[in-house]
Amino acid sequence: NAGVMQNPRHLVRRRGQEARLRCSPMKGHSHVYWYRQLPEEGLKFMVYLQKENIIDESGMPKERFSAEFPKEGPSILRIQQVVRGDSAAYFCASSPPNTDTQYFGPGTRLTVL
Amino acid sequence: EDQVTQSPEALRLQEGESSSLNCSYTVSGLRGLFWYRQDPGKGPEFLFTLYSAGEEKEKERLKATLTKKESFLHITAPKPEDSATYLCAVQGSGTGNQFYFGTGTSLTVIP
Repeated sequence: NAGVMQNPRHLVRRRGQEARLRCSPMKGHSHVYWYRQLPEEGLKFMVYLQKENIIDESGMPKERFSAEFPKEGPSILRIQQVVRGDSAAYFCASSPPNTDTQYFGPGTRLTVL
Repeated sequence: EDQVTQSPEALRLQEGESSSLNCSYTVSGLRGLFWYRQDPGKGPEFLFTLYSAGEEKEKERLKATLTKKESFLHITAPKPEDSATYLCAVQGSGTGNQFYFGTGTSLTVIP
C-alpha cells in the first residue's frame, strides 16, 4: 500500500506566479489535511477536506489560498500570486474514515524568488 | 486555544544513554495525543497514538506515556539511527480534526 504521495517535491516560483501542490492520499483514505511548516516553526494546520467537500478551512489565509479534493484525482492546494512569505514546506496528510491518526506525505518545498 | 510545548528543543545523547522527551499540552477535551518522527527533508512518520491518561505504547526502543497534562517519549539505549526530530501533536474535541503540533525536539545520538 503506497503511502501519501505529493508532487512536486520541490517547486520554485517567482513573486506573482501561481503554485499548485498535489496530494494523493493513501488507498482507502477519504480525509485529507494540509499543513504548512515554516523554518523553526511547528506544523500549522491549514485545511481539512473530504471528497468534494471542505470541512474545515480555519487555518487557511483568507486571500490567495484555496484547496479542493475532487471526486476523481488528487487534492490540490493552490496559491495565487505567491509572495516570499509563502516559502515553506507544505505537507499533506490523510486518514481513513473513523480514525484519528493522520499519515503524512513527504511534502512539497516551495521557494518563492 | 489548544497548545503544545516540547522540551528540550535539542538533545544530544551518547549511544546507549537513555533519556526522555517531554510534551506538555493544554487542550479542551483531549481526543488524542500523537508522536511523530521527522527526518530532515522528509514528512513526519507516525509513531504512537495515546488517548487517555495512564496509557502507554511501546515500539522497539521507544515508549510513550500520557498523563492529564503531558506526555513523555522515553528512549532506551538509543542508537545513531534514532537521530531525528520528534514531534508531538494533540487533537481536541472542540477543534474538529486538526492537529496542533509542538515545535519538536531535535535528537542527536552520537556513536
